Amino acid sequence: AQSVTQLGSHVSVSEGALVLLRCNYSSSVPPYLFWYVQYPNQGLQLLLKYTTGATLVKGINGFEAEFKKSETSFHLTKPSAHMSDAAEYFCAVSVGNQGGKLIFGQGTELSVKP
Amino acid sequence: DTGVSQDPRHKITKRGQNVTFRCDPISEHNRLYWYRQTLGQGPEFLTYFQNEAQLEKSRLLSDRFSAERPKGSFSTLEIQRTEQGDSAMYLCASSLRETSTATTFGSGTRLTVV
Repeated sequence: AQSVTQLGSHVSVSEGALVLLRCNYSSSVPPYLFWYVQYPNQGLQLLLKYTTGATLVKGINGFEAEFKKSETSFHLTKPSAHMSDAAEYFCAVSVGNQGGKLIFGQGTELSVKP
Repeated sequence: DTGVSQDPRHKITKRGQNVTFRCDPISEHNRLYWYRQTLGQGPEFLTYFQNEAQLEKSRLLSDRFSAERPKGSFSTLEIQRTEQGDSAMYLCASSLRETSTATTFGSGTRLTVV
């Protein structure tokens, strides 16, 4: 069975500071991993994904994530936070590598202080 | 391509009433997924379709829930005899095929049962 754990339900950073959102996964097969962002009362927007190949993946809006198999982690980072980054972020793993059937973490709310 | 559309965006209903939500996926996508998201949680998988065939239903989908995709295009999710615990955001997503990792989410239908 696959699962995702996001460490920290709420992260607060200052504008311009490093953003680090933590995600650990459990999977019996090589995982496909995703980060999504959700703005209030909106659906989910894909930030980036890891399937195979390069373990450092770059996404939209300056975000990137690194797949570390030894640590079963897929942490999301951005060098410099912007006010517009304030949102809810979800890490997800695909079930049996079926792209659309996803197991999500509980989410991390990112606040950005001016 | 206008993305995944969901209707209505918001629905307030009295306990015991039936409600139906509609999802229009991206036109060429043959996979369609329904998720439920309660406040402060990540989305949870409910069911999915491959064309018009419903291939899997989560144990979260009680007998009061039914989903259809009659012509392999749009889908409906009906909840009968709504309960307060059904209050949630219902998200629809679609992807081109079963191995696709490019899943697009709609903006969701927020259901409030009073």
